[in-house]
Amino acid sequence: DTGVSQNPRHKITKRGQNVTFRCDPISEHNRLYWYRQTLGQGPEFLTYFQNEAQLEKSRLLSDRFSAERPKGSFSTLEIQRTEQGDSAMYLCASSPLTGQGFHNEQFFGPGTRLTVL
Amino acid sequence: TQLLEQSPQFLSIQEGENLTVYCNSSSVFSSLQWYRQEPGEGPVLLVTVVTGGEVKKLKRLTFQFGDARKDSSLHITAAQPGDTGLYLCAGAHPGETSGSRLTFGEGTQLTVNP
Repeated sequence: DTGVSQNPRHKITKRGQNVTFRCDPISEHNRLYWYRQTLGQGPEFLTYFQNEAQLEKSRLLSDRFSAERPKGSFSTLEIQRTEQGDSAMYLCASSPLTGQGFHNEQFFGPGTRLTVL
Repeated sequence: TQLLEQSPQFLSIQEGENLTVYCNSSSVFSSLQWYRQEPGEGPVLLVTVVTGGEVKKLKRLTFQFGDARKDSSLHITAAQPGDTGLYLCAGAHPGETSGSRLTFGEGTQLTVNP
């Protein structure tokens, strides 16, 4: 399977705990995006990397959230001191630099479903 | 804030019927994409439209981009139960043809009953 993969698929945690999610993009894709999706809503943009550089962050990304892409390949999204409002599906997408990526065609992973108790 | 409004939010039809889903905005987008999402999975890209007035067909699905690149529609002919899912439109911000965020609509949940 050469698509975007995300781990874990599901995470249940208690309020106040830290959680970390991983995203492995399609191997030749330079761009990587994180989105958050709550029930009944479309995905909302969180942040975007081109190679290892984090180029854009949404104001939704509070200081409890941090994302990294240290070698320009996989990325991690960490949420510190989780709150019940953080419960959502966290989606990762990747896009090539040229070709389909020229029009922002993004390819999504299956997501990580976070439940904060 | 550039918003995309989708209508209807929910649609339940019988197999064989036709339907149209709308995606509207007051803002111009450089491109617009349609995705389909199943429960517990990520969105899957169906099509990208770029040019105002553009029409693209994907089997029984017809996608149109408005002349002013502010709105789009998805028409499904002879719907089948396998078409059931959440249909999302997403716009790329104007002036940024590459590398920018997508703004998503809230989605249209389609159920096709056998």
